[in-house]
Amino acid sequence: GENVEQHPSTLSVQEGDSAVIKCTYSDSASNYFPWYKQELGKRPQLIIDIRSNVGEKKDQRIAVTLNKTAKHFSLHITETQPEDSAVYFCAALRGAGGTSYGKLTFGQGTILTVHP
Amino acid sequence: DSGVTQTPKHLITATGQRVTLRCSPRSGDLSVYWYQQSLDQGLQFLIQYYNGEERAKGNILERFSAQQFPDLHSELNLSSLELGDSALYFCASSGGWTSGGRDTQYFGPGTRLTVL
Repeated sequence: GENVEQHPSTLSVQEGDSAVIKCTYSDSASNYFPWYKQELGKRPQLIIDIRSNVGEKKDQRIAVTLNKTAKHFSLHITETQPEDSAVYFCAALRGAGGTSYGKLTFGQGTILTVHP
Repeated sequence: DSGVTQTPKHLITATGQRVTLRCSPRSGDLSVYWYQQSLDQGLQFLIQYYNGEERAKGNILERFSAQQFPDLHSELNLSSLELGDSALYFCASSGGWTSGGRDTQYFGPGTRLTVL
């Protein structure tokens, strides 16, 4: 089945700096890659996603890049703010066909701390 | 607010007991997913239902079962509870197969289960 590895497990930055979180996946049939932000005790919230037919997507201070050949994707947060502090999860989802259809496989999570 | 609702928010019970967690998907969503989040296991996919039928299964224990009803709400039943079942249980929903199965999954607020 799919396996998603996420690095680093913790990331500490100063306010205003950039933060980068990287994920690799194993199943070449995966074609949808969302990123979720989770604050303590709350639900995962989708912050950005990318599909396998594009290499990069940007939404204000957040961007995601995808390298299908290398099977890795990254989250980039620029001009970080203290409210960006949370746990970030990457995930991969296999497309049409197969019993894993619809199943999100999550990375282990990255605890991001933004210091004022 | 994602539009996905879950009840109850908190549940405290004893080992050996049985509990039922409830989820109502976003209006119009046909797919419901259940995830378990514990401190040492991250977010683990349990099971997916689409329009009342089971579609994908993850690492769901035999003591656990789920169903999706005609009104599309879903219930996750956990029986013979053990201490290790203590976790946050999230439900997510998405639009279903019609959009290619690569739908964004929106998470509910979760049910925190504590087994004493």
